[in-house]
Amino acid sequence: AQSVAQPEDQVNVAEGNPLTVKCTYSVSGNPYLFWYVQYPNRGLQFLLKYITGDNLVKGSYGFEAEFNKSQTSFHLKKPSALVSDSALYFCAVRDRGRGRGSTLGRLYFGRGTQLTVWP
Amino acid sequence: GAVVSQHPSWVICKSGTSVKIECRSLDFQATTMFWYRQFPKQSLMLMATSNEGSKATYEQGVEKDKFLINHASLTLSTLTVTSAHPEDSSFYICSASRLENPEEGETQYFGPGTRLLVL
Repeated sequence: AQSVAQPEDQVNVAEGNPLTVKCTYSVSGNPYLFWYVQYPNRGLQFLLKYITGDNLVKGSYGFEAEFNKSQTSFHLKKPSALVSDSALYFCAVRDRGRGRGSTLGRLYFGRGTQLTVWP
Repeated sequence: GAVVSQHPSWVICKSGTSVKIECRSLDFQATTMFWYRQFPKQSLMLMATSNEGSKATYEQGVEKDKFLINHASLTLSTLTVTSAHPEDSSFYICSASRLENPEEGETQYFGPGTRLLVL
């Protein structure tokens, strides 16, 4: 079964400092991994994904994530945090299934990490 | 690209009425759409997976007669909350899967969400 863990409910960081939001996963087989961000009363915005290839994935708004197979982790990072980065961040994993009329390909979400960047 | 809209963005209704929420992929065709429910400060709970031209697949514990899903075209899925009650009040989010390329499978893009309040 697929699952995702975000061990921190809350991450606080000062503006200008680097930030890390942690995510570990458990899947059968090779994973597809995703990060999404949610601002208050909004849907989720896609940030980045890891499918294959380079372990360091670059995404939107200066975010990047590092896939570590041995540690089964996919931590989200940014070198210099902005106040506007304050939001709820979700890590997700999906299996590689595909096909009409099936639920294969569904996402399994972590519980979310609230990032607060203070000025 | 990959824009998903939802309508309405918020709705207030009386107990016992039905409410329809539309989810549209504006610039791509989505063979699969997903409906989620989110409670305050919690992760997304998958309600059902909707494939164009076939019946939706509901997650365990989700009443299919209560939450009617219709996926009439490759760009439109609707969720109807029938005979709504106060406990149905929630934030409902849809997503649409876009096939990036055959090797990567689909990426889900999310709508902005619909806030439902049942009085």
